[in-house]
Parts: sequence; C-alpha cells; structure tokens
Amino acid sequence: GEDVEQSLFLSVREGDSSVINCTYTDSSSTYLYWYKQEPGAGLQLLTYIFSNMDMKQDQRLTVLLNKKDKHLSLRIADTQTGDSAIYFCAETSTSGTYKYIFGTGTRLKVLA
Amino acid sequence: DAGVTQSPTHLIKTRGQQVTLRCSPKSGHDTVSWYQQALGQGPQFIFQYYEEEERQRGNFPDRFSGHQFPNYSSELNVNALLLGDSALYLCASSLWGDRGYIQYFGAGTRLSVL
Repeated sequence: GEDVEQSLFLSVREGDSSVINCTYTDSSSTYLYWYKQEPGAGLQLLTYIFSNMDMKQDQRLTVLLNKKDKHLSLRIADTQTGDSAIYFCAETSTSGTYKYIFGTGTRLKVLA
Repeated sequence: DAGVTQSPTHLIKTRGQQVTLRCSPKSGHDTVSWYQQALGQGPQFIFQYYEEEERQRGNFPDRFSGHQFPNYSSELNVNALLLGDSALYLCASSLWGDRGYIQYFGAGTRLSVL
C-alpha cells in the first residue's frame, strides 16, 4: 500500500544544518515534495524532485533521493529561527492517480 | 496574483448539521483537490475535481461531497457532521497535466464540531 513515514521531532541550534528524513513505500512514486506548515497556516511548497533525479539544490535547501531505499531527505543549511515549523514529505504517482500521500510531518524547532 | 483562497477561515457546527466550505483556485489553475488534516496528522486526500467532475476520491464516506463550478472554484459539503470531522480542511489547486503535478494550498478552513 501507500505509506509515507517521517520522524516526529527535530531540534537544532541556529546556524546549524537540519536534515529531515522521509521514507515511502510506493515504488511507482513519480514526484516527491517537501511542504512547510507554520502554526495556523496552510502548506507552503518548498521544493520537489522527480524520481529520476538523485539530488536537487535550491538556495539553502538540498533534497536527496535514494530511490532504491525509497528514502528522501531535506537538508536546510544555516537554519534560522524562522525555519521553525512542521515539514511534510509527500509523494504522488502518475500511475492513474494524482493525489498526494503525505507523511505525518516533522516538527523542527530551532534554538537561538 | 491571488493564490488559493478559502472561506470561511473558521467554522463551528454541532453534530448532525451540514457544512459547506469554499475554495477559489490560483489564477490559471483548473483542478481542485480537497484534504482533511486532523490535529497532529498529515493531510488526507478527500477528492479531486477537474472539468466539473470528481476524478479521484480518497477513503472518505459519501457524507463528503463536492462540486466544481465553470470558473473552477469548488465547494466541499459534509452532511450529518460527526465529532471526528473536526479538522483543518485544505484546498489545493493545480493545472491538469502540468509536469510536476504541483499543488498549491490555501490557508484552510478550521472546522470544529461540538
């Protein structure tokens, strides 16, 4: 079946790098996404990666994809207090459905 | 350029009542998806509308229904509300067939069922 798992919490010091991990089970996953949710707000798209890519970098964000192990990670360089939020990993497949399957979210706390 | 807008922001209902939530997609988008996010959970897919038809449906009962209008805006209706329907309801818009299938989310409607 389709399942996406994430660790629940991560705490880092301001200026350090954060790495948020995600595993998924659907081998037909085509696109994988990272969204950020701040308290009381909707989801903000941070970045996405196509399944034929291994890595994607966008300013402070680096996404790594290990398709063999079905493992996705998001690295945030020079983490700031404004990065404190919940981060969701999501996947979709083009094999007949375009719905997103989300993980339970990782709460990132950045300590000053 | 307005993003995805949802109304109302907050809603309080009692068990057994019916509710309608509204969504206007991002300019240029023709597809609307609805998600339910319970407290402490990730969003769960309810259904998706394109060309005024329900294209995909998640594991939600028939009490959840929707509609898409010719201007691509959409409504989510929930009948016979249960306490467990209390959640943040998120609308997402996208462009059908767009490479990347990227969905842009609104701020959500928080529904409380008492």
